[in-house]
Amino acid sequence: RKEVEQDPGPFNVPEGATVAFNCTYSNSASQSFFWYRQDCRKEPKLLMSVYSSGNEDGRFTAQLNRASQYISLLIRDSKLSDSATYLCVVNHQDSSYKLIFGSGTRLLVRP
Amino acid sequence: DAMVIQNPRYQVTQFGKPVTLSCSQTLNHNVMYWYQQKSSQAPKLLFHYYDKDFNNEADTPDNFQSRRPNTSFCFLDIRSPGLGDAAMYLCATSSPGAALSSYEQYFGPGTRLTVT
Repeated sequence: RKEVEQDPGPFNVPEGATVAFNCTYSNSASQSFFWYRQDCRKEPKLLMSVYSSGNEDGRFTAQLNRASQYISLLIRDSKLSDSATYLCVVNHQDSSYKLIFGSGTRLLVRP
Repeated sequence: DAMVIQNPRYQVTQFGKPVTLSCSQTLNHNVMYWYQQKSSQAPKLLFHYYDKDFNNEADTPDNFQSRRPNTSFCFLDIRSPGLGDAAMYLCATSSPGAALSSYEQYFGPGTRLTVT
């Protein structure tokens, strides 16, 4: 089983749609969770950290479910510029500051 | 106000010819990481420096080495590049502390390596 698993997609949605991605992780002791965004042939950029209580940043909402070991990302009112790959990231079992990246979920927002 | 800088952005090398990629940071972060990312795959951690302490991942080939002469700079040396080493190489930094946000990693723009 992979340490971080994501549906590769692509998710193809119209502008204005709401879309949600889930990610599962295998290490129950993980403490740090993040969502990164990666555009084609560019570096990953931090989208948001995921806090235990869940957190929201504008159109983006992240949730953590420790019991089921999954993290979710909800994007409301999708924009064309949201088209990218979204990487789920969890800290390594050996170290809190080493991160394990999922392979990403690709989102395509169409006009 | 670039924070993590990688040079060069594109590097072409010949099979077996040593190559060095460089990374510098203005964040004064104490941890620097090197990742390898191939198309449609997750970034794979090769190694990292926590201050001057070098930490190699168990599955990183011996062909890959790293140097960190000071806080700001870190180098990735590929001693004998093979065709399978063609990838994007990403440098990242962090400054771990008490807050969750301190474990966030900040990436440079990457160096795309082509091996001919």
